[in-house]
Amino acid sequence: EIVLTQSPGTLSLSPGERATLSCRASQSISNNYLVWYQQRPGRAPRLLVYRASSRATGIPDRFSGSGSGTDFTLTISRLEPEDFAVYYCQQYGSPHLTFGGGTKVEIK
Amino acid sequence: QVQLVQSGSELKKPGASVKVSCKASGYTFTIYNMNWVRQAPGQGLEWMGWIHTNTGNPTYAQGFTGRFVFSFDTSVSTAYLQIIDLEAEDTAVYYCARGPTGALDYWGQGTLVTVSS
Repeated sequence: EIVLTQSPGTLSLSPGERATLSCRASQSISNNYLVWYQQRPGRAPRLLVYRASSRATGIPDRFSGSGSGTDFTLTISRLEPEDFAVYYCQQYGSPHLTFGGGTKVEIK
Repeated sequence: QVQLVQSGSELKKPGASVKVSCKASGYTFTIYNMNWVRQAPGQGLEWMGWIHTNTGNPTYAQGFTGRFVFSFDTSVSTAYLQIIDLEAEDTAVYYCARGPTGALDYWGQGTLVTVSS
């Protein structure tokens, strides 16, 4: 099973600032099959990025994904008030999917 | 538009069973796998497994074998998660999520299952 480790656990930032979230895999993820989700309180997760760097339909371009192999990054270029939420990475490069533990982006 | 609508919250006693439904609309049900994801209170997301909605073949993640059963009824485009012999540790929100390739692009709203005596 591929283990995903997200860091930091919590990111305290102000609106307008840049957020950089990390997701590290215990082994290389085939075809860079890694996604990022956003989860707001009381809501279902929302797909942001798939295959490491492709934005899902309707996702603003302030969200961008990058990385390959075992190291991946989600960047939010300028935080909007609605971006304060928890973000999860998830891999689908192996038959059994796994999620990272999440990064909470909170208002400083 | 694609929608996954789940059944309502459940309160069950330990040892009972529960069946959560997930009704799909806006797409051809048998084309996409249906995944199930658990989120315990205040915790992260945990993939439970998926069911191939064409062949009916289920895949269960480690820790979700034995008491968890995935099924579906194509006549009503609905997937089901049954949990038998409920334990307090099963208290969680359960999500269904469509997964064309393993990237889960549409999610149900979640069903809270509470297990308490």
